[in-house]
Amino acid sequence: EVQLVESGGGLVKPGGSLRISCAASGFMFSTYTMNWVRQSPERGLEWVSSISSAGSYTHYTDSLKGRFTVSRDNAKTSLYLDITSVRADDTAVYYCVREETTGWFDSWGQGARVIVSS
Amino acid sequence: DIQMTQSPSTLSASVGDRVTITCRPSQSISDWLAWFQQKPGRAPKLLIYKASVLQSGVPSRFSGSISVTEFTLTISSLQPDDFATYYCQQYNSYPWTFGQGTKVEIK
Repeated sequence: EVQLVESGGGLVKPGGSLRISCAASGFMFSTYTMNWVRQSPERGLEWVSSISSAGSYTHYTDSLKGRFTVSRDNAKTSLYLDITSVRADDTAVYYCVREETTGWFDSWGQGARVIVSS
Repeated sequence: DIQMTQSPSTLSASVGDRVTITCRPSQSISDWLAWFQQKPGRAPKLLIYKASVLQSGVPSRFSGSISVTEFTLTISSLQPDDFATYYCQQYNSYPWTFGQGTKVEIK
C-alpha cells in the first residue's frame, strides 16, 4: 500500500525557516516524480514544486522560486521542502503527492499544517 | 499560467440526483485533466485522469468527458458518500493548476 507521511509542520514566525519532510513507503520511490501541493482557504489548492525521480530536475511555481527548495533522498525514500523567509501567506496545509508516469497525481499524504504567525 | 474555471462553485442536490460539474481551461490542455474529490480534513482523492479514465477503485457512477474545450465530471446517481468538494486539475504544462472547487451539498 502506498503511504506518504508528512512531518515538520507547525507554528513558524514570519521571516523564519522550516523543513517539511515526507516519508514514502509501499512503492519504488526512486522511480517516481514527486510533488508538493499546498492548500489554504484563501488560495485553494496550489501546486508548489516537483522533483524528478533521480532529483535531476525541479520545477516551481514562479511566485515561490527562491524561497522554496525541493529535494529528495532516494536511499531514505524521503522528500523534503525547505521554506525560507516564511510569510503569513505561506500558512497552509502542505501535501506530499506522487505523480504517475504520465503526470497525474495518484497518491497524496495526509498533509502537514504550517501556521505562520508571530 | 493556465487558469481552470470550475462551475458551479456550490451545488445543492439530493441522493439519487444526476450531478454535473464543468471545468474550462484558459487554453488547450488536450486531455491532460484530472478530477479529485476532497472531504473535510482529508487529502484530495483522485477520481479520474486523462479526462475520462476512472481511477482503480472509484465507483462507476463517476465519469469524465470532454466537449470541445470544456471538461465535465458527472455523478450519475448521487450517493451519501459523494457529498464533498470536487476539483479539476490540468497537467498539460507547468505550473500545474487547479480549479477553485465545487462543493456538493445536501439539498
